[in-house]
Amino acid sequence: GAVVSQHPSWVICKSGTSVKIECRSLDFQATTMFWYRQFPKQSLMLMATSNEGSKATYEQGVEKDKFLINHASLTLSTLTVTSAHPEDSSFYICSATDRVTAWETQYFGPGTRLLVL
Amino acid sequence: GQSLEQPSEVTAVEGAIVQINCTYQTSGFYGLSWYQQHDGGAPTFLSYNALDGLEETGRFSSFLSRSDSYGYLLLQELQMKDSASYFCAVRDDTGGFKTIFGAGTRLFVKA
Repeated sequence: GAVVSQHPSWVICKSGTSVKIECRSLDFQATTMFWYRQFPKQSLMLMATSNEGSKATYEQGVEKDKFLINHASLTLSTLTVTSAHPEDSSFYICSATDRVTAWETQYFGPGTRLLVL
Repeated sequence: GQSLEQPSEVTAVEGAIVQINCTYQTSGFYGLSWYQQHDGGAPTFLSYNALDGLEETGRFSSFLSRSDSYGYLLLQELQMKDSASYFCAVRDDTGGFKTIFGAGTRLFVKA
């Protein structure tokens, strides 16, 4: 089956530093990748939609200069949290859809837990 | 705007049947999906309904009524491992191709 990996799975950083999270589709080409954040016991909030080779589309209220997204290839998208602050601490999850099954089936990565001290 | 409503919690016993309802309001509706998420884990895809009716996949079934903007996930022969959060989600093409998730229903399965 389709597998999406995320790296790192856990990251603890100091306030003011930047953190890069990688999302890879391991055995399929992802036409579109999505980035979500999730607070404890809450739903997934879509942050941005990323298509290979084009600029990401950010949801209302998400700062594009703070959450930099790069989708350089059909198998890799990165999310960089710039100048992270404690309020950015969250569970960040990426998902991807492939060219064959399209949007209905999103394959999720295992998530990255970010703790900003 | 877009919104999905589902119960926040459901409790059932092993072996029972449970139904998790979802009502939605959205423009450009294309289909309703269901995802399961265990604590600390990532969501996994369960089912997708684009047309009215019931889709069955093993112990799980999903139903959609487009005219009622309503769907449900039916879990049969409940097992302890089914304790998790279940999210309904809709595709929404307004403003771009994306998925909107409901708030989730926490299912507790008791022995």
